[in-house]
Amino acid sequence: DGGITQSPKYLFRKEGQNVTLSCEQNLNHDAMYWYRQDPGQGLRLIYYSQIVNDFQKGDIAEGYSVSREKKESFPLTVTSAQKNPTAFYLCASSRQINYGYTFGSGTRLTVV
Amino acid sequence: AQSVTQLDSQVPVFEEAPVELRCNYSSSVSVYLFWYVQYPNQGLQLLLKYLSGSTLVESINGFEAEFNKSQTSFHLRKPSVHISDTAEYFCAVSDPGSSNTGKLIFGQGTTLQVKP
Repeated sequence: DGGITQSPKYLFRKEGQNVTLSCEQNLNHDAMYWYRQDPGQGLRLIYYSQIVNDFQKGDIAEGYSVSREKKESFPLTVTSAQKNPTAFYLCASSRQINYGYTFGSGTRLTVV
Repeated sequence: AQSVTQLDSQVPVFEEAPVELRCNYSSSVSVYLFWYVQYPNQGLQLLLKYLSGSTLVESINGFEAEFNKSQTSFHLRKPSVHISDTAEYFCAVSDPGSSNTGKLIFGQGTTLQVKP
């Protein structure tokens, strides 16, 4: 079955370390997105990509980086510059706007 | 810029009672509208969507939403809720400035708490 796979489901990071969250889709979707979710704050857009080798900053891109070398993959790196990285991270993809998004199951990142 | 407001952060309701989760958006430009549901520690799942045509749209599990252009609203309703409906619900609107990218604007979410 087609879908989006996020890994790992839970991730622990020490302060000062970079960490990369994986997002893979086999839906043949062109657009992919990364959101951060914190309690009471809804979903905030970090980065998005419409095509391979191109991506744009969202509303809270500082301290994060992405790459889009393949259509299927859109990894997110949380760098040591991100001051408050503990959150639930969601990856999504879409083919066209009227189909909405398909979401992955999320990665919960905790800084220890 | 487009914005989405979900008027209630939490909605407690007893099982088998009706419920309405409210959603308003800011722009009156032609938009697409979505409701998503999120169960604990999971991703979001599409519940229903309005693209055009009939202003009343329905999901397979008994939810419905009505598009009201004059009031820029897209409220979600269910006539009789079940314990299993306990979840967080997100309203989303297409961004008119990015019609080809599919970028959605999400509300803050409403937690539906169904009590026995």
